[in-house]
Amino acid sequence: DTGVSQDPRHKITKRGQNVTFRCDPISEHNRLYWYRQTLGQGPEFLTYFQNEAQLEKSRLLSDRFSAERPKGSFSTLEIQRTEQGDSAMYLCASSLERAGNYGYTFGSGTRLTVV
Amino acid sequence: DQQVKQNSPSLSVQEGRISILNCDYTNSMFDYFLWYKKYPAEGPTFLISISSIKDKNEDGRFTVFLNKSAKHLSLHIVPSQPGDSAVYFCAASAWVGNTPLVFGKGTRLSVIA
Repeated sequence: DTGVSQDPRHKITKRGQNVTFRCDPISEHNRLYWYRQTLGQGPEFLTYFQNEAQLEKSRLLSDRFSAERPKGSFSTLEIQRTEQGDSAMYLCASSLERAGNYGYTFGSGTRLTVV
Repeated sequence: DQQVKQNSPSLSVQEGRISILNCDYTNSMFDYFLWYKKYPAEGPTFLISISSIKDKNEDGRFTVFLNKSAKHLSLHIVPSQPGDSAVYFCAASAWVGNTPLVFGKGTRLSVIA
């Protein structure tokens, strides 16, 4: 297990299209997080799962966003009817139960550009 | 409202000297604090953490100091090396590190050879 994998690394889409990103966490980690990072900002929390249960959603996660983690393994983040304001780096992270002494392990991110 | 603030967007330090990165927080429920380092085109990498029951944690060249009364923490890097040049994010969590991490905006550190 080499870490958290995200696919694709880059995505360019036209406004109004739907996009889906995938995250494969570290296999022993039962928590999975989605964050969004825009230029000049730190990562902003979107949502997280403990196993297959989605435990918290940020107010940043509008109705156009949906995340799933079937069977508590990989996760997908879908954005419907993309807008230019959705352009950002979408980061996935995983952890054991809580941040604790070891924090989260982040993937390299998916950079979304909406044109 | 920003719960975690890094007021210095950038810092430039000479190689071999000390780098001090600062972070302030407003939420008194935060009890775990972490520093992450980020290189371009990569995700953030965990560097060091501290819980609110301590005031200092050290790991090699990296030391984090926590001043709970001032709601302030700092990361010291001694000695600074060119490879330390990156963006550093401060992050915090509540409920014994159970709540999702809240990040600051980051400080870009440049270590000049």
